Amino acid sequence: DAKTTQPPSMDCAEGRAANLPCNHSTISGNEYVYWYRQIHSQGPQYIIHGLKNNETNEMASLIITEDRKSSTLILPHATLRDTAVYYCIVPSAFSGSGYALNFGKGTSLLVTP
Amino acid sequence: NAGVTQTPKFQVLKTGQSMTLQCAQDMNHNSMYWYRQDPGMGLRLIYYSASEGTTDKGEVPNGYNVSRLNKREFSLRLESAAPSQTSVYFCASSDWGEYTGELFFGEGSRLTVL
Repeated sequence: DAKTTQPPSMDCAEGRAANLPCNHSTISGNEYVYWYRQIHSQGPQYIIHGLKNNETNEMASLIITEDRKSSTLILPHATLRDTAVYYCIVPSAFSGSGYALNFGKGTSLLVTP
Repeated sequence: NAGVTQTPKFQVLKTGQSMTLQCAQDMNHNSMYWYRQDPGMGLRLIYYSASEGTTDKGEVPNGYNVSRLNKREFSLRLESAAPSQTSVYFCASSDWGEYTGELFFGEGSRLTVL
């Protein structure tokens, strides 16, 4: 199972891009990288996922390095409402069909005015 | 569309009491999960169910039992509650493609054991 490493905290000014890094050096060829966030004490919310190509949706962009050992989640214009804990996850396959997502401590992003 | 519904939202127990946390999803998902989150910590997986009729242990299963009652419902039982089980409990569900899927979470159940 691939482990992920994230910085414990980051700051970003409102309106600027927030770039959140993640290392996953033991990721295997068919394992996806997922990003979730948790605002205050709510349940985590899915943001984006990718395999090897860069991905973009209405919430964020995901840049995965060519060797797939690291990735960066980009929030292009951070707002105060983006203050949250961001989790980078590589799911672990379980028997049968499906995956388990093991959340680490994530990166606590503080967006300041 | 309710998504994932957890009950109760708040509960206070005394040490040694038992209780069951209920979770139901209306998205026809095969996989369901129970997580706990302690203050300042990430989520830790307690149990999961890949499909109706199957359950498996996660990272922290001791002190808990689960039942996948049907495809919609996945309950978590504390037989003899301990103060160390004071936590916020989250239920989630998902349907997986070949390698991809998205977890949908409930609002959480806040449990205090005195």
